[in-house]
Amino acid sequence: EPEVTQTPSHQVTQMGQEVILRCVPISNHLYFYWYRQILGQKVEFLVSFYNNEISEKSEIFDDQFSVERPDGSNFTLKIRSTKLEDSAMYFCASSELSYGYTFGSGTRLTVV
Amino acid sequence: AQSVTQPDIHITVSEGASLELRCNYSYGATPYLFWYVQSPGQGLQLLLKYFSGDTLVQGIKGFEAEFKRSQSSFNLRKPSVHWSDAAEYFCAASGGYQKVTFGIGTKLQVIP
Repeated sequence: EPEVTQTPSHQVTQMGQEVILRCVPISNHLYFYWYRQILGQKVEFLVSFYNNEISEKSEIFDDQFSVERPDGSNFTLKIRSTKLEDSAMYFCASSELSYGYTFGSGTRLTVV
Repeated sequence: AQSVTQPDIHITVSEGASLELRCNYSYGATPYLFWYVQSPGQGLQLLLKYFSGDTLVQGIKGFEAEFKRSQSSFNLRKPSVHWSDAAEYFCAASGGYQKVTFGIGTKLQVIP
């Protein structure tokens, strides 16, 4: 079964550093998403991306965050200057309208 | 506003007993509905999804869910719980290619 692949599985970074989380969505999917889950809390929507632009973003997705599809396969989430409260599990997802969502296994980001 | 409610934060059942996890949604139209399971520190695994058609949906690991439009509910059931079912369960909803809205999750504990 097709999978959404996320790398790395775990990243530790120092506060103030930039991080890039990488995702390879399912190849024929058109819609891409990032979600995050702070430890012990619910999964929260960050941003959706379609046709090479952001289609929706939450209030969490401020100027410190950006997304990019640099080539035909990768979808990245960049956090410019990480804060302690950015520590969370970040999930990438992709969807095709008629098929539903597939989530990746997540990247655990730890900001120290 | 779109929302998904899981009224039970924590449920304990005996191994072999039946299980029902509750989920209610509030959406403008009938959304796509999902149940995901998450083991500690792991990603989100899709158990089942409802798009349209038969209101009783079969999923993986012996789970099923029933969509009831009149009650705006999508409850998850399993006739006989196994110790390996202990995990956190998330109900989620989407308006199609739009973002997925998650419930807060229900932690399932299985006792011998």
